[in-house]
Amino acid sequence: DAMVIQNPRYQVTQFGKPVTLSCSQTLNHNVMYWYQQKSSQAPKLLFHYYDKDFNNEADTPDNFQSRRPNTSFCFLDIRSPGLGDAAMYLCATSRGPAGMGNQPQHFGDGTRLSIL
Amino acid sequence: DQQVKQNSPSLSVQEGRISILNCDYTNSMFDYFLWYKKYPAEGPTFLISISSIKDKNEDGRFTVFLNKSAKHLSLHIVPSQPGDSAVYFCAASGSNYQLIWGAGTKLIIKP
Repeated sequence: DAMVIQNPRYQVTQFGKPVTLSCSQTLNHNVMYWYQQKSSQAPKLLFHYYDKDFNNEADTPDNFQSRRPNTSFCFLDIRSPGLGDAAMYLCATSRGPAGMGNQPQHFGDGTRLSIL
Repeated sequence: DQQVKQNSPSLSVQEGRISILNCDYTNSMFDYFLWYKKYPAEGPTFLISISSIKDKNEDGRFTVFLNKSAKHLSLHIVPSQPGDSAVYFCAASGSNYQLIWGAGTKLIIKP
């Protein structure tokens, strides 16, 4: 089945130690997104790629970076994780931008990040 | 400023009855509305959507109603089943890339 896969499902890192989360998709979608979700709050968009074009949300901390080496893969790098960065990180894809007609986003199961 | 609001943090419904989840929005420029379902420890799953030019969309047990004049939409699940217990998020298409999310409603189906 075509899907969005996030690895690892659980990640523990130390305060200040860089960490990378990965996402892959077999849907061949053009757009890939990274969200942060805390508790049962709504997901918060960090950034997205439309093909190779990177788009950062205005309030995404500089501590968060992303790479998309090809259509299938996208990475979230947290350069110096703080305690406030403990959260679920969700990757999503869509065929086109959310505003172009009916383009639902398809989510992976997330990576739960814990900071020691 | 919350553009998409789900005012009920939780809802409890008897199995077999109808579940009605509500969502209000403030931006009349939204053109698509979507409902997502989320189980614990999983990512949100797309359920159903509706274009702003329609007032109803149905898919099996799930129906979404849109009242543009009231800036209100609702998701009806009938009959409700135990597997429907989850958090339901309402979202709206804002700018080209953004989904504007509500805070979610936790639905509990009682046996």
